[in-house]
Amino acid sequence: GQNIDQPTEMTATEGAIVQINCTYQTSGFNGLFWYQQHAGEAPTFLSYNVLDGLEEKGRFSSFLSRSKGYSYLLLKELQMKDSASYLCAVSGGSYIPTFGRGTSLIVHP
Amino acid sequence: ETGVTQSPTHLIKTRGQQVTLRCSSQSGHNTVSWYQQALGQGPQFIFQYYREEENGRGNFPPRFSGLQFPNYSSELNVNALELDDSALYLCASSLIPGQENEKLFFGSGTQLSVL
Repeated sequence: GQNIDQPTEMTATEGAIVQINCTYQTSGFNGLFWYQQHAGEAPTFLSYNVLDGLEEKGRFSSFLSRSKGYSYLLLKELQMKDSASYLCAVSGGSYIPTFGRGTSLIVHP
Repeated sequence: ETGVTQSPTHLIKTRGQQVTLRCSSQSGHNTVSWYQQALGQGPQFIFQYYREEENGRGNFPPRFSGLQFPNYSSELNVNALELDDSALYLCASSLIPGQENEKLFFGSGTQLSVL
């Protein structure tokens, strides 16, 4: 089975940097996804990591350490529109992603 | 916009009733996955269909069933509704299952309330 853990809620200030952590335990590993979900909307894909290291994509970066079962999503230059839930999802042996409960990020002025 | 459409957007049912939710996948995608998302939780995998065959199933009872049609659209059926079935039901399409970086394209979901 799979177990995914991420903080329930985080708050940050506009313009700042925030790091959202995700730890996981899985039998078989075929990658880790991050999705963003605004309230009342569908999740949308942000990033995918399958090898150790940092993947940078604009203001968003995602890091993976397979040996530690650990990932983080780094958001720079926070904007109010970044207030959303951030979902960590692990693809195991079946290639079907299992989602964590999500981290609700609140960005305030 | 992902190109994945779901209907209806909202639905109210009573305990014991049956419900059918519908999903049209993104053009060119032949894999559909259904997820249940309770308030404040992450999406929980229900099942996946690939080329009209069930390709995987999560920990949901048999009263949750599905279909995929030749045009790759899909239905989720839930019989004997229970109060705990109240949730957002998300449909996600993807190109081919079993690929490492196969990202999901989600619809906006159907909000089901069971009274």
